[in-house]
Amino acid sequence: AQTVTQSQPEMSVQEAETVTLSCTYDTSESDYYLFWYKQPPSRQMILVIRQEAYKQQNATENRFSVNFQKAAKSFSLKISDSQLGDAAMYFCAYRSPLRDDKIIFGKGTRLHILP
Amino acid sequence: GAGVSQSPSNKVTEKGKDVELRCDPISGHTALYWYRQSLGQGLEFLIYFQGNSAPDKSGLPSDRFSAERTGGSVSTLTIQRTQQEDSAVYLCASSLAQGSSNQPQHFGDGTRLSIL
Repeated sequence: AQTVTQSQPEMSVQEAETVTLSCTYDTSESDYYLFWYKQPPSRQMILVIRQEAYKQQNATENRFSVNFQKAAKSFSLKISDSQLGDAAMYFCAYRSPLRDDKIIFGKGTRLHILP
Repeated sequence: GAGVSQSPSNKVTEKGKDVELRCDPISGHTALYWYRQSLGQGLEFLIYFQGNSAPDKSGLPSDRFSAERTGGSVSTLTIQRTQQEDSAVYLCASSLAQGSSNQPQHFGDGTRLSIL
């Protein structure tokens, strides 16, 4: 069965610094998609970034970028120039058409931004 | 509406009572998910509806939990004989049809359920 693992329950970073959140997944499929979601204290889940497995180029959205290592089944999220508003719970997610498009989430990483 | 709508936003009830939580997905989204999130914790998958297929109920924690989706749109999550451990935020999400794996889920704001 597919699994998504986020090994860091909590992380802290100084404001304006860079932080990387790790995510690994286990799959035997070649066609899938990966996502990072952010959940601030308001509890609204917000899509941060997505990556297609068939694309070698790492996705980037402003200060957010990923390091996608398909062979290693790793999908880390890098946040540059961290801001106080980045403080949230971050979830990594996996979705595949070969598994009825069901989305599987990791357990999340709580990110604290230190002023 | 523009997004996924959940109601009520907050529900307080006594132990042993039944509760119904409602989710209105984005129009045209055939996939609908329910999750449970305890305070400060991750998402616990409950149930997944995909079009006309039989729902994936593998995440329902007990037979006190059930869900239905009428007309392929609105979904109701029912918890019977509520227990204190049922206290959590219940999140609903929807996404486009099967075959749209590149599409993300869109989440509602959740229902915060408190069992006294």
